[in-house]
Amino acid sequence: SAVISQKPSRDICQRGTSLTIQCQVDSQVTMMFWYRQQPGQSLTLIATANQGSEATYESGFVIDKFPISRPNLTFSTLTVSNMSPEDSSIYLCSVKTGGGPYEQYFGPGTRLTVT
Amino acid sequence: GNSVTQMEGPVTLSEEAFLTINCTYTATGYPSLFWYVQYPGEGLQLLLKATKADDKGSNKGFEATYRKETTSFHLEKGSVQVSDSAVYFCALSGNDYKLSFGAGTTVTVRA
Repeated sequence: SAVISQKPSRDICQRGTSLTIQCQVDSQVTMMFWYRQQPGQSLTLIATANQGSEATYESGFVIDKFPISRPNLTFSTLTVSNMSPEDSSIYLCSVKTGGGPYEQYFGPGTRLTVT
Repeated sequence: GNSVTQMEGPVTLSEEAFLTINCTYTATGYPSLFWYVQYPGEGLQLLLKATKADDKGSNKGFEATYRKETTSFHLEKGSVQVSDSAVYFCALSGNDYKLSFGAGTTVTVRA
């Protein structure tokens, strides 16, 4: 398993501003993912962030809006840029560990409200 | 592409009742299947998993069997407790490890 922390845990931001969310893992992992959970909705994958390469974005998500950094094997950031109220969501990072096939572990999430 | 269809909620049960949440999937190849749970105020946790056909995942009294012939992975528990109140998500992943989630089912267990 893996212990994952995220900062901030929640924030209220004004539209037009940007917020950077940090994800820290207690062990080295190759694969990290960023998900969004809009209010009352399921989780949607934003992008895959592998160390040493550019993030890969899913359909409907673009780098200009959600730039991602992955400087090492234990850390990643997701920035939500030029925010609008529609960006109000919980943002979660997850990691794929070596223990067991295809298991992913999730961080506690960052609850973002855009006013 | 991959997709998961999950029984809509909310579901309200009395303690000790039997719980079933239906989940069916569409996928290419041979996906792995998961149930995740989100307790009130907590993060998403892996509840159980199955990685090949006919596998049964189990944890905390919950079970789900990977049925390739019906492309299903229904979650069951024989006797629920108030502490089982949560949102349950069915999910799958393929070789790329990307998770596709169902819509989630909110379960409330009354004492």
